[in-house]
Amino acid sequence: DAGITQSPRHKVTETGTPVTLRCHQTENHRYMYWYRQDPGHGLRLIHYSYGVKDTDKGEVSDGYSVSRSKTEDFLLTLESATSSQTSVYFCAISSDGGTNEKLFFGSGTQLSVL
Amino acid sequence: GENVEQHPSTLSVQEGDSAVIKCTYSDSASNYFPWYKQELGKRPQLIIDIRSNVGEKKDQRIAVTLNKTAKHFSLHITETQPEDSAVYFCAARYNAGNMLTFGGGTRLMVKP
Repeated sequence: DAGITQSPRHKVTETGTPVTLRCHQTENHRYMYWYRQDPGHGLRLIHYSYGVKDTDKGEVSDGYSVSRSKTEDFLLTLESATSSQTSVYFCAISSDGGTNEKLFFGSGTQLSVL
Repeated sequence: GENVEQHPSTLSVQEGDSAVIKCTYSDSASNYFPWYKQELGKRPQLIIDIRSNVGEKKDQRIAVTLNKTAKHFSLHITETQPEDSAVYFCAARYNAGNMLTFGGGTRLMVKP
């Protein structure tokens, strides 16, 4: 799919192990976002980035860290995965700067923590 | 912070009927309200959005209405088709630069 790719698409891991999810964009957008999707909760923002090395927390940031060393890559790390972090993770980019409008989502990563 | 509630959680309609999904929000200062559609196993995609200075917006078979006084907004789909079957999410944003707060989603099933 054009513009944004996530890897891996599926991941099974064990409690206590570190996990890193990658989001790669080819659109040169400044803003990138990580969301998690859980039944009944819609999409909840974990962290976002507004430039290289510039990141901030979202509403459910506990247990997660992010890094952005290049415009095109935004990494989400679970330092020590827990079962409550089993979820579908979506990366998103915005074509309208930091307005949070017109979000374009990646295909998602299904993460299972056993 | 903002709180968005979405109803119903599931909705089943016959092909050709209309479907209405309603969302309420808590922060009267919210000014941007998008709707996303997510087909099974796919990514969420923006289908329509509305700003607080507009009461209604239409795009072919879909429309969104906003009632600022009551703090609710609704998605209307007319002449539903099987390909409208999906999960629909509403969202609200307090101000440019603030995060979107999503509703819990509505699973719409259109029966042929």
